[in-house]
Amino acid sequence: QVQLQQSGAELAKPGSSVKISCKASGYTFTSYYISWIKQTTGQGLEYIGYINTGSGGTNYNEKFKGKATLTVDKSSSTAFMQLSSLTPDDSAVYYCAIKGWFAYWGQGTLVTVSS
Amino acid sequence: DIQMTQSPASLSASLEEIVTITCQASQDIGNWLAWYQQKPGKSPQLLIYGATSLADGVPSRFSGSRSGTQYSLKISRLQVEDPGIYYCLQGYSAPYTFGAGTKLELK
Repeated sequence: QVQLQQSGAELAKPGSSVKISCKASGYTFTSYYISWIKQTTGQGLEYIGYINTGSGGTNYNEKFKGKATLTVDKSSSTAFMQLSSLTPDDSAVYYCAIKGWFAYWGQGTLVTVSS
Repeated sequence: DIQMTQSPASLSASLEEIVTITCQASQDIGNWLAWYQQKPGKSPQLLIYGATSLADGVPSRFSGSRSGTQYSLKISRLQVEDPGIYYCLQGYSAPYTFGAGTKLELK
């Protein structure tokens, strides 16, 4: 069955970076783009962007350009999102999701930015 | 960006009651709309896509409709497992945008 397993919670200091992962299984990795979504209590759900798992091509929401960097490792069927220059506003749960209308989601990764 | 105005922000309903949640798009998005249910501590789950199509495994008491740029999610007979937060999503143009959510509780 399709599964997206995300890496564990992160506690990071302001100004630092984190890299979270999304390991896919149960399907051919390059069949679906992987999208990333941010969820906060205040801003709700925000679409960050997606990566073409075959070519590595990316498309970002303008709001997240320079903040998020999406990559993939086809050999391990894993997608990554690096968040840089962290501020408290980056504290959120981040999800990866696939298949058309996001039929499958990872379990989410909590990122907390605090000094 | 396309704005999705979702209402109500919260509602309380009784078992077996009919519940309707709406999303108003700021421009024409055709049928490029989906609905999700999210329960505490869980990821969102796809309910409806293409404005009216039921996702796999979703009970038939859930349905979606469209009138112009207004979209509705209807739960025909509220069940004990249905409380949660419901979101709409427009997939017409990037960046895809979500509604703010509707918190549904059992009365």
